[in-house]
Amino acid sequence: ETGVTQTPRHLVMGMTNKKSLKCEQHLGHNAMYWYKQSAKKPLELMFVYSLEERVENNSVPSRFSPECPNSSHLFLHLHTLQPEDSALYLCASSPRDSGVDEQFFGPGTRLTVL
Amino acid sequence: RKEVEQDPGPFNVPEGATVAFNCTYSNSASQSFFWYRQDCRKEPKLLMSVYSSGNEDGRFTAQLNRASQYISLLIRDSKLSDSATYLCVVNAHSSASKIIFGSGTRLSIRP
Repeated sequence: ETGVTQTPRHLVMGMTNKKSLKCEQHLGHNAMYWYKQSAKKPLELMFVYSLEERVENNSVPSRFSPECPNSSHLFLHLHTLQPEDSALYLCASSPRDSGVDEQFFGPGTRLTVL
Repeated sequence: RKEVEQDPGPFNVPEGATVAFNCTYSNSASQSFFWYRQDCRKEPKLLMSVYSSGNEDGRFTAQLNRASQYISLLIRDSKLSDSATYLCVVNAHSSASKIIFGSGTRLSIRP
């Protein structure tokens, strides 16, 4: 496998469910990111991990909980979400958390919260 | 004022035309600038970084104007395959933690 993969590609969940999104990168990168892309809105950076340490949490509600067990894997744990959390969740990686490196995106998980 | 602002378009131009769009940013301390391309229902992919001196990659030219705080993208001899949304990306920090994406400009090339 190459690049950045994400599973599942589509997810429908109720507001009381708990689910997790998974991201895996096969590029040997040291930085990984979660983004949210809602319709008609720009990508919003949610979390940044560099060498498995969380660098940034951009005022994301606690119902989103990231986990980075190693530099190749990133999870986003979801619980008690709201309908307005329905969006495309994109994972990305880059060689370093330098701000100048290209970010490589996964295909995204399209989440619908009922 | 939005931190990164783009004309949403759509820009609808004939094949072979030249098209240009700008992106303005509000933070004068911004250090890194990029254009990403996002096809419909696909993930964003880097088109090109934007350097202070301007840079060209084939039919694509990117320029930075720090004084007026905008970056531009020029596409010459446009192809049908150039149809996509072009995302302006600005970073005001040495890490990616302050990266800001614009909402994107939709470009549609017609035969």
